[in-house]
Amino acid sequence: GAVVSQHPSWVICKSGTSVKIECRSLDFQATTMFWYRQFPKQSLMLMATSNEGSKATYEQGVEKDKFLINHASLTLSTLTVTSAHPEDSSFYICSARLAWDQYFGPGTRLLVL
Amino acid sequence: KQEVTQIPAALSVPEGENLVLNCSFTDSAIYNLQWFRQDPGKGLTSLLLIQSSQREQTSGRLNASLDKSSGRSTLYIAASQPGDSATYLCAVDWNAGNMLTFGGGTRLMVKP
Repeated sequence: GAVVSQHPSWVICKSGTSVKIECRSLDFQATTMFWYRQFPKQSLMLMATSNEGSKATYEQGVEKDKFLINHASLTLSTLTVTSAHPEDSSFYICSARLAWDQYFGPGTRLLVL
Repeated sequence: KQEVTQIPAALSVPEGENLVLNCSFTDSAIYNLQWFRQDPGKGLTSLLLIQSSQREQTSGRLNASLDKSSGRSTLYIAASQPGDSATYLCAVDWNAGNMLTFGGGTRLMVKP
């Protein structure tokens, strides 16, 4: 149990386009989901906390207008990277909270050309 | 500021060795601490979770200890194998499930 999926697993896009990443809790409901970013050979950094039915809470330095988060249901949160640029190329990982634990998705690798 | 630090950043050992990975954190008022494994280009696999009230957890060849007073946790891997090669991440929850703060990770290579 407690499985989290992400789609797509990897994406390549042109600079200036927008990319949407989905995070789904498959067998449980999650009122809270988290989005992390991981640059090569670095650790995970929390970008934002996604709450179902309300606005996401962004960490300092993360542009909310660039990284749009929508937590439309108890099993789905989406992260849209708007007007992506090469510096946005990274590994994006989501997690979903169940009780006091977090369960992580497999990650989405984004490459912006 | 609440921070998590892992030392060493990289470690290379011959197969069969017992090894210890270190994690330190700045604020001892943690809710829990978790060790993860990450293979290259992959997501996270949870290895062990230690609640604030616990001192250690064991799973197979892995043993994680927690010393809140000194702000440290160690991950002990017994009889290391090449398949153990991965990055090991330590993460602290200070707010009961609200967010995890990760250390920089230790990249482990176990040579046959």
